[in-house]
Amino acid sequence: QQQVKQSPQSLIVQKGGISIINCAYENTAFDYFPWYQQFPGKGPALLIAIRPDVSEKKEGRFTISFNKSAKQFSLHIMDSQPGDSATYFCAAVEGNFNKFYFGSGTKLNVKP
Amino acid sequence: DVKVTQSSRYLVKRTGEKVFLECVQDMDHENMFWYRQDPGLGLRLIYFSYDVKMKEKGDIPEGYSVSREKKERFSLILESASTNQTSMYLCAIRGGRENTEAFFGQGTRLTVV
Repeated sequence: QQQVKQSPQSLIVQKGGISIINCAYENTAFDYFPWYQQFPGKGPALLIAIRPDVSEKKEGRFTISFNKSAKQFSLHIMDSQPGDSATYFCAAVEGNFNKFYFGSGTKLNVKP
Repeated sequence: DVKVTQSSRYLVKRTGEKVFLECVQDMDHENMFWYRQDPGLGLRLIYFSYDVKMKEKGDIPEGYSVSREKKERFSLILESASTNQTSMYLCAIRGGRENTEAFFGQGTRLTVV
């Protein structure tokens, strides 16, 4: 049973557009929500993360929106660029950080 | 910079073989993880270790075992490889400024024929 549900599985966006990826969870013990970016042939790397005491976090063109009551969070990529083309994973982590639960991944293709 | 090194990028093994995947870190991190990555399923935790000789099962440990004899090295063992273990295997450590970040190796693409 997947602890974190991610959608869509794939996404095509024009250069300059907004990419939106959504995730949902059930376990209220999760208290850290990172997003990872993976390029072909590489391992995933941390992109941005949020804790549930804030509703939004922005770093450059990347924003996480967090809705604690709905148990949902999303990644928004503003002004999407071809270099953003990658696979994105959301994750949820319990307080002891012994387990990271990852979503199924979203393959983003930004067309020039 | 944190460095997580997996010994092989690509491996091809025969059904029934015993397979060892090696992972080495260059810092003194306690937590190390093994994940497998499959299309549409994301990353699933196989085993993790929080100290030398200490290990815990993840979500899909069947068919796998692990070994951590030294702090810097964490090995994943496929006791008798099967075709359904064909996958990308990723090793990770927990680190970063607040010790909340997972740092991954580049992955080992294992094919079992």
